[in-house]
Amino acid sequence: EDQVTQSPEALRLQEGESSSLNCSYTVSGLRGLFWYRQDPGKGPEFLFTLYSAGEEKEKERLKATLTKKESFLHITAPKPEDSATYLCAVQAGSGNTGKLIFGQGTTLQVKP
Amino acid sequence: DTEVTQTPKHLVMGMTNKKSLKCEQHMGHRAMYWYKQKAKKPPELMFVYSYEKLSINESVPSRFSPECPNSSLLNLHLHALQPEDSALYLCASSSGQVLNQPQHFGDGTRLSIL
Repeated sequence: EDQVTQSPEALRLQEGESSSLNCSYTVSGLRGLFWYRQDPGKGPEFLFTLYSAGEEKEKERLKATLTKKESFLHITAPKPEDSATYLCAVQAGSGNTGKLIFGQGTTLQVKP
Repeated sequence: DTEVTQTPKHLVMGMTNKKSLKCEQHMGHRAMYWYKQKAKKPPELMFVYSYEKLSINESVPSRFSPECPNSSLLNLHLHALQPEDSALYLCASSSGQVLNQPQHFGDGTRLSIL
């Protein structure tokens, strides 16, 4: 069964304290791994897509990496405005569905 | 501001009411999705439309009825809902046949069933 697990469930950082969020996956035939940010009361905001092991993407203080079993979202020198829930999702299999399998999310709080 | 627009933002309805949720995108995407999200949980897929045809129904109760009038619009018709259907309903869209392209979400409709 396809599965996505995110850790930690919650993370508190001081402003400027760098850290990483983990997304491990067990799927048959990865087509793409997606990172989203979700603020309270809003829809998920697309951040990155990763397609193959070794791939990396960067945007401002965020950097996403991918291996054959997991992805990391590295946050460098975070600011309070980076506080949000970060969702990882994978698209897998050979079916013509576009279905995303989401992890449970990591809620990040950055304190000034 | 997102490129997927959902209306209304909030909806309160009784269990005997009929209402509709609307979603619109102008990115030329040919795949559109409905998700349900409960508090502190990830989105759960309900329906997928590809080129205006329903391609996935994730065993959703018939009190939820989707409709895709054209490539830019997606509706979700609601009838005789239950209190447990209270949730944030999210619409998303993505490029059509290129399945590994990202889905872009609207900000949702917060639905409360009395």
